[in-house]
Amino acid sequence: GENVEQHPSTLSVQEGDSAVIKCTYSDSASNYFPWYKQELGKRPQLIIDIRSNVGEKKDQRIAVTLNKTAKHFSLHITETQPEDSAVYFCAASGSGGSNYKLTFGKGTLLTVNP
Amino acid sequence: NAGVTQTPKFRILKIGQSMTLQCTQDMNHNYMYWYRQDPGMGLKLIYYSVGAGITDKGEVPNGYNVSRSTTEDFPLRLELAAPSQTSVYFCASSYRRGPGSSYNSPLHFGNGTRLTVT
Repeated sequence: GENVEQHPSTLSVQEGDSAVIKCTYSDSASNYFPWYKQELGKRPQLIIDIRSNVGEKKDQRIAVTLNKTAKHFSLHITETQPEDSAVYFCAASGSGGSNYKLTFGKGTLLTVNP
Repeated sequence: NAGVTQTPKFRILKIGQSMTLQCTQDMNHNYMYWYRQDPGMGLKLIYYSVGAGITDKGEVPNGYNVSRSTTEDFPLRLELAAPSQTSVYFCASSYRRGPGSSYNSPLHFGNGTRLTVT
């Protein structure tokens, strides 16, 4: 099955700096890669996603890049703010008929220091 | 729409007890899922359903059972609770974007059930 590795497990940045979280996946047929943000005690919520036919996608301060050849994708947050502090999860969908099942990375705890 | 609703929010079980975690969604989503979240381990898929009457195992199904008699409801059953089942459980739903689409919508998560087995 699919295996998703996520790094780093913790990341601390100063307010205004950029943050980058990286994920690799094992199934070359995976075609959907979402990122979820989970604040303490809350449910995960989608912040951005990318499909395999696109190399990069941006939404205001958040961007995701995908390298299908290398089987890795990354989340970029620019001009970080204290409210960006949370756990971020990457995920990859299964291939073919199981594209609705997601395999999640173990998460990255991002701390933005004021 | 209430979205995905889970009950209870918290529960403490003794070893060997049974319970059902309830999940209901009012978005008419055909796909539903149960994930468990352990500290530092991300989310692991327990069971999922692609429609009423159809369920299948995920990554970590042992010790759990599910049923899907309606589109709205997808309860998760723990028959003999064990300490290893101490976790936060999330129910989620999604829908297929269209008959010819190969993509599902993003997952909509419930607020979770925090279960402790002692």
